[in-house]
Amino acid sequence: AQKITQTQPGMFVQEKEAVTLDCTYDTSDPSYGLFWYKQPSSGEMIFLIYQGSYDQQNATEGRYSLNFQKARKSANLVISASQLGDSAMYFCAIRGFGNEKLTFGTGTRLTIIP
Amino acid sequence: SAVISQKPSRDICQRGTSLTIQCQVDSQVTMMFWYRQQPGQSLTLIATANQGSEATYESGFVIDKFPISRPNLTFSTLTVSNMSPEDSSIYLCSVESSSYEQYFGPGTRLTVT
Repeated sequence: AQKITQTQPGMFVQEKEAVTLDCTYDTSDPSYGLFWYKQPSSGEMIFLIYQGSYDQQNATEGRYSLNFQKARKSANLVISASQLGDSAMYFCAIRGFGNEKLTFGTGTRLTIIP
Repeated sequence: SAVISQKPSRDICQRGTSLTIQCQVDSQVTMMFWYRQQPGQSLTLIATANQGSEATYESGFVIDKFPISRPNLTFSTLTVSNMSPEDSSIYLCSVESSSYEQYFGPGTRLTVT
């Protein structure tokens, strides 16, 4: 069984500052994948970044990076130089290998303040 | 990445009726997934659809309520049957790429009155 915990229901960040969204996970699978998605008010789920549990390096995609600390079971999303368009819900999710199902956290609503 | 489209994008339906949601992918994929997101909630997997076999449903979801078709490797439908206001949600389909990344369609926003 997999579980994702996102402890920040909402965050307010000044434009151009960096922001860290917290995500901790629990799984009994020896290998797994961690995902972050952005959901704007339109409702679509936008894939941001993926980290495999055996990847040696932390994943990065443009302004997004994933701070993966396996021993702590955390997979925080870092957004550098935040922009007004980053305002959205952000979901962390986990997938076990051999089971393609994604288990999502409750999400964090990020608001960027001009 | 995969390009996924869904129809309809939104609908308002009356209690007791059914709605079929279509999901089309621009490439062949083995598995397609259907999720539900109730208002203010996170996403919950309804079922996994493989081409040529019965869909696999998650606990709490049954085929009579959410029948799924998967006629080929690029298309699937989800029907929400005998709808009630509790079925008001966003319904999303997703697929997995060869690199384990999962991509979602734009969603179908359903309101049941």
